[in-house]
Amino acid sequence: DAMVIQNPRYQVTQFGKPVTLSCSQTLNHNVMYWYQQKSSQAPKLLFHYYDKDFNNEADTPDNFQSRRPNTSFCFLDIRSPGLGDAAMYLCATSRGTGTGSNQPQHFGDGTRLSIL
Amino acid sequence: KQEVTQIPAALSVPEGENLVLNCSFTDSAIYNLQWFRQDPGKGLTSLLLIQSSQREQTSGRLNASLDKSSGRSTLYIAASQPGDSATYLCAVIILTGGGNKLTFGTGTQLKVEL
Repeated sequence: DAMVIQNPRYQVTQFGKPVTLSCSQTLNHNVMYWYQQKSSQAPKLLFHYYDKDFNNEADTPDNFQSRRPNTSFCFLDIRSPGLGDAAMYLCATSRGTGTGSNQPQHFGDGTRLSIL
Repeated sequence: KQEVTQIPAALSVPEGENLVLNCSFTDSAIYNLQWFRQDPGKGLTSLLLIQSSQREQTSGRLNASLDKSSGRSTLYIAASQPGDSATYLCAVIILTGGGNKLTFGTGTQLKVEL
């Protein structure tokens, strides 16, 4: 039973052409996260939402934005993809603070983005 | 700034061996630590989460320990199998006002051979 679902699994876009990656969850978790993982590197947190509150990492480029229209869905928008943005993008969820803070984050299978 | 290091970067062992993967972190002010498995081209599967008040956690053939004061964690895999071949990532967790923040190591790529 997939609980964090990312679509599509593979995405190809052209240099500079906007692209949107999507993530949905069936866990009803408060928090949703987006990570970028380049080849042979550690996943790097881009930003996360706690409910509707958006938290951006200081070193996340302005080219990356996110939307969370409801609890279940979260989108990653890359406004003008460059060659350096080719990576695996991972979505994760967690319950958030309180007792939920001791629960693990749940990850989707990722979307691998290629830039032509 | 928190830095997480995993040694070795790659490991190849024959089936049946017991093995230890290492994770070290520079800032001991962590909340929890989590071990993940990542298969090629896939997302992350959570293996074990150790709360800061705990010293270890066990699940089947896996045992993870945590020594916050020395900034170290180990993942012990007993009686390794070819199906254990994957990249293993550790992540230290801090609490923020808006959720948990994970800082990952670069992983240990494990290959278990027949």
